[in-house]
Order: sequence, then C-alpha cells, then structure tokens
Amino acid sequence: QSALTQPASVSGSPGQSITISCTGPNSDVDRYHYLSWYQQHPGRAPKLMIFDVSNRPSGVSNRFSGSKSDNTASLTISGLQAEDEAEYYCSAYTVSDTLVFGGGTKLTVL
Amino acid sequence: EVLLVESGGDLVEPGRSLRLSCTASGFTSADYAMSWIRQAPGGGLEWVGFIRSKVYGGAPEYAASVKGRFTISRDDSKNIAYLQMSSLETGDTALYYCTRELKREYGMDVWGQGTTVTVS
Repeated sequence: QSALTQPASVSGSPGQSITISCTGPNSDVDRYHYLSWYQQHPGRAPKLMIFDVSNRPSGVSNRFSGSKSDNTASLTISGLQAEDEAEYYCSAYTVSDTLVFGGGTKLTVL
Repeated sequence: EVLLVESGGDLVEPGRSLRLSCTASGFTSADYAMSWIRQAPGGGLEWVGFIRSKVYGGAPEYAASVKGRFTISRDDSKNIAYLQMSSLETGDTALYYCTRELKREYGMDVWGQGTTVTVS
C-alpha cells in the first residue's frame, strides 16, 4: 500500500483537461514535503513533470500544472493530447527524509 | 549530454548478493544526491534509497523494505554511485533506476534507463 493515494485511472478526450489527485495517508499532504510529479510511458524511464508542488522543469509543456489545496496535491493537464497517455506518479519526502511514491495513475486519452 | 547509465543487473538466487553501478556523465555527480528507484514487473515506482552529496554530509537513507540489506555508496572521483544488495529476496526482483537530485525540492530530473535484477 502506497503512502500517497492516487486514483488508479483517469481518462479524457483530446483537448479536454484532466486532474490527478495525490493524498497523504491522513489526508494531510502538508506532512510531506517537496512534492513532485513524474510521467512514465510504457517501457520508458519516468520523466520529471512538476517539482515542489507547482514548478515545471525547463522543456515541460505549460499544459502541465501542479497545485495543492485542501490537503490534496493535484496535477492538471490541459489541452489533452494523445502523447499524454501514460502513467503518472506523485512523490514526496517525509519528515524523516525518506521518499514515498503514490501508486500511480493511468491516464487514457480517449 | 547528461546521462546516467546503470549496470550490474543479473539473475541471482535468493540469499545472494549483487552490486549495481550508476555511471554519470555530462555533469559533476558530486554536486547531486543520487537515488535508486525500483519498479517490479507491472508495478509502480518504489524508492529504495539515496545518498546525499558530500556538501550535505554524504550520508545515505533507505526505505524500510531494504534497510539493513542494501547499502548505497558513491565514488565521486569516478562519477559512480553504487547499490550493494545482499540477502536478496524474490520481492527484490525489479528494474532498478538511478536518478540525480540537486536538492530535494527540485525533484529527480535525470533518470537512467534501468538495469534488471531477477531473484529466483
């Protein structure tokens, strides 16, 4: 069981927006720090999409955005494209300096 | 080009040991924390542990599932990080990735392609 909870799957049509949530075990993402999001296509290594809740690395499309509200972190993808179909993972550091991942969310572009 | 290349994966029997290497190129690995992440077949990502850069003390941290069995070390003169695995269990079967992280808040921005460890 992952320390961070994500929905197993989400889906959307091209051009739509979708949001993937990431919640801590006590619904308190504030107990975790430096939340990041990773995208993984089948057979490929994960790719950093968002760091420190809402920051995008250079080269990542501005269609990807991160936020945190009401103790839940979220990844939003706007203007959905076929290439966005992938598995998405959130991760965060605990107060004891260990890293935890969410269980992953499979995004299907219909 | 910034690259991380893992090596050393193999098929091993339960209880045996194995050492993985992560060779960095295109950047000064001494400036970064180096992490190991694994992914079991068909499974999600699992953090194994990391080793801080010398600037931050150079100490490692481990996931509870591997603590006492796995050891992470680094040789900055060679730009290599290591994952020494002992008392291997079938549950350690996975693709093992190496990553770099300048600071925790910046995330793991470079990943290797992984090396496969099969314990059977």
